[in-house]
Amino acid sequence: DSGVTQTPKHLITATGQRVTLRCSPRSGDLSVYWYQQSLDQGLQFLIQYYNGEERAKGNILERFSAQQFPDLHSELNLSSLELGDSALYFCASSVGGGGATNYGYTFGSGTRLTVV
Amino acid sequence: AQSVAQPEDQVNVAEGNPLTVKCTYSVSGNPYLFWYVQYPNRGLQFLLKYITGDNLVKGSYGFEAEFNKSQTSFHLKKPSALVSDSALYFCAVSPVLRDTPLVFGKGTRLSVIA
Repeated sequence: DSGVTQTPKHLITATGQRVTLRCSPRSGDLSVYWYQQSLDQGLQFLIQYYNGEERAKGNILERFSAQQFPDLHSELNLSSLELGDSALYFCASSVGGGGATNYGYTFGSGTRLTVV
Repeated sequence: AQSVAQPEDQVNVAEGNPLTVKCTYSVSGNPYLFWYVQYPNRGLQFLLKYITGDNLVKGSYGFEAEFNKSQTSFHLKKPSALVSDSALYFCAVSPVLRDTPLVFGKGTRLSVIA
């Protein structure tokens, strides 16, 4: 157990629907990062939050949004889902607010999203 | 913007032989460099990092990596491969002086054959 908890582990939904993925960071970590892993694109950075505030934005579609709550857990909302959104979505956390810390990132086990 | 290239999608090696997984990077200034490993149905696990200092970095499970600034490379190595090393390996980079998240390569699948 890495200490980063992601739920649900698997999600199957239809095109056009909306889903919410949840992540609880490792205890003491203030930063949460969301990554999308697909076979052809590898691991793509979506967005980072630090202590409740958006810190960095990557290749995140406008249909996607995220937030980090006062208890530091984060949610990634995916709407108007398309077949191409099927992927593994990972959450990672780190101690500091800097993008690359001396301690690296701790990853959750991911949520596998299948859009049918 | 920073980027990482892992030129090999797949590396096959016989058990007991040395292995190398290649990584080159592009970043403004000095880099933070990381290697992560992903086993089936699991998240990425930290293997090792280069921050500063000695160019040869030792990490978990007998892995090491050599930082070469002139060639902008950070190849992952192990003297003797095990079947249990079979997994997906990711190299990642971030510039030292900028507050930007890690950028990952596309990953290299290592297959160790008994």
